[in-house]
Amino acid sequence: DVKVTQSSRYLVKRTGEKVFLECVQDMDHENMFWYRQDPGLGLRLIYFSYDVKMKEKGDIPEGYSVSREKKERFSLILESASTNQTSMYLCASSLLLGRVKDSPLHFGNGTRLTVT
Amino acid sequence: DQQVKQNSPSLSVQEGRISILNCDYTNSMFDYFLWYKKYPAEGPTFLISISSIKDKNEDGRFTVFLNKSAKHLSLHIVPSQPGDSAVYFCAASAYDKIIFGKGTRLHILP
Repeated sequence: DVKVTQSSRYLVKRTGEKVFLECVQDMDHENMFWYRQDPGLGLRLIYFSYDVKMKEKGDIPEGYSVSREKKERFSLILESASTNQTSMYLCASSLLLGRVKDSPLHFGNGTRLTVT
Repeated sequence: DQQVKQNSPSLSVQEGRISILNCDYTNSMFDYFLWYKKYPAEGPTFLISISSIKDKNEDGRFTVFLNKSAKHLSLHIVPSQPGDSAVYFCAASAYDKIIFGKGTRLHILP
């Protein structure tokens, strides 16, 4: 079974802090994704990466950056946290990009971030 | 501008009956559709999918129907069980992107 591990389940940070959310997958997947889930808005894609050191913007990249130095690890960075970034953050991985039928997304359990 | 719409935020169904969750989409380029299930405090898990060239896919108690002309898909769960109580996300894929709907919370009543 694919395991996607997010380092923190709950995080509380202050406005203006730099925040790192870490995600590790153990199945040698090529692609990794960061989503946020908000009530009434569903899952929205922030960034994704299809290879080491490669990244692509999703639908809502503003206020975020990412880092993928190793294949198994994908970090989401909030450069200066704001209260509107309070949310549930979900990391996911998949084997093949553009081949959704062969490789559905596998999600971690999420990090609930509160920015005060 | 929502490309994938789940218009029912919640649905309650008696245990043993059929649960039908609906999803509409606007983008004709979507070629693959998926359903994910999410329990509280867990990440979504893949449930079932369907290619745009098919109109039905069945996996045990779960069946997904696709009506391309209406740009509509539905997930049928029969019979519904207590463990089916969760949030269900419809998703659609075109090229490299997967777009999710807002989700429908399903309550299975005893």
